[in-house]
Amino acid sequence: SQQGEEDPQALSIQEGENATMNCSYKTSINNLQWYRQNSGRGLVHLILIRSNEREKHSGRLRVTLDTSKKSSSLLITASRAADTASYFCATGGNSNFGNEKLTFGTGTRLTIIP
Amino acid sequence: ETGVTQTPRHLVMGMTNKKSLKCEQHLGHNAMYWYKQSAKKPLELMFVYNFKEQTENNSVPSRFSPECPNSSHLFLHLHTLQPEDSALYLCASSQAQGNYQPQHFGDGTRLSIL
Repeated sequence: SQQGEEDPQALSIQEGENATMNCSYKTSINNLQWYRQNSGRGLVHLILIRSNEREKHSGRLRVTLDTSKKSSSLLITASRAADTASYFCATGGNSNFGNEKLTFGTGTRLTIIP
Repeated sequence: ETGVTQTPRHLVMGMTNKKSLKCEQHLGHNAMYWYKQSAKKPLELMFVYNFKEQTENNSVPSRFSPECPNSSHLFLHLHTLQPEDSALYLCASSQAQGNYQPQHFGDGTRLSIL
């Protein structure tokens, strides 16, 4: 299984601090994606990192990928109350049909305390 | 994220009822997905459609019947459901060609089986 598993399951930090979430997976991948889900809403794509990349940035987000350890981390810097949400990693493998078949983890519930 | 619209947002039904969930995407994508999200469990992929053709059925019970009349619309027909089918059902879409394509999610239908 390519299932990603996030760690920790829940994280509470003060506004302005940095938040780090980790994801581990089991088999080879061609990319790893991070999604955010606000309460009662759908998932929103945040960032994608390819298997040949080691680090990627997007605004306050920094993602790293270590394929030798089969792990990834998502860093959110200078957290804001609006960052309160669940964060999921999803591993993508080759599909016979050209599109992604993603496998999601159980998520990290992030709470930013104002 | 308003590119993928799901209706209804909430649905309560008895085990003997028949109902349908609807998903519509306005993003010009040609791949569509149904996922099931239950508490404390990873997001489960149910069905995948590429260019209106079903390309993935992840061992879903026959009481769930998908329909994809065109690349913009996706339905999930429900009949004789069980209490354990209570969950959030999410629809997503993406470009069908090429890997590294993120998926765009609707806000889901919260289904409760009495």
